[in-house]
Amino acid sequence: NAGVTQTPKFRILKIGQSMTLQCAQDMNHNYMYWYRQDPGMGLKLIYYSVGAGITDKGEVPNGYNVSRSTTEDFPLRLELAAPSQTSVYFCASSYSSAGSRGNEQFFGPGTRLTVL
Amino acid sequence: AQSVTQLDSQVPVFEEAPVELRCNYSSSVSVYLFWYVQYPNQGLQLLLKYLSGSTLVKGINGFEAEFKKSETSFHLTKPSAHMSDAAEYFCAVAGQGAQKLVFGQGTRLTINP
Repeated sequence: NAGVTQTPKFRILKIGQSMTLQCAQDMNHNYMYWYRQDPGMGLKLIYYSVGAGITDKGEVPNGYNVSRSTTEDFPLRLELAAPSQTSVYFCASSYSSAGSRGNEQFFGPGTRLTVL
Repeated sequence: AQSVTQLDSQVPVFEEAPVELRCNYSSSVSVYLFWYVQYPNQGLQLLLKYLSGSTLVKGINGFEAEFKKSETSFHLTKPSAHMSDAAEYFCAVAGQGAQKLVFGQGTRLTINP
């Protein structure tokens, strides 16, 4: 099993450009998540999905969009990139929610994005 | 809602010295507690978790954590640090029935020879 994969690993964008961060998992997990990690701030949840066709906002959704057309894939779209979106982005998946018997989240290796 | 506070942003220790990384949480409902580790340039991986029962939880790589409900704490310990333990450690909490995991700010553990 590859687990959770993310592409690209690195990307530099100019202000105002758009891009899609790809995330895929092969564990047949229902739940998928997008986090951003900024130094000293821990991980902040951007969006999450509890199954194909169902998404919901997390703590910091502004400037981002998601879709979940299949169980495996959960892409994150950045429209009109801004310097404040410079961060490391992690995708994660789990069989069920963390509040359901403490389901473990499995993380991808991350995408390091710089907006100049 | 739940929140997590990791009391130290950085913890330096000498090799073979004991390690303690502190974590306090806040919640109005019963919780599940987690410690994740992030090695340089990698994603997070689960170190250990507390669900219920014994309050002393053992994880991978010799780490363990003790759940103290009266102190709302879940501190991570290891009796003897190795150079390979250098990483960032995140404490996280989920309320029972909650959809989401809430992470602390992280503690960077550095090991000096």
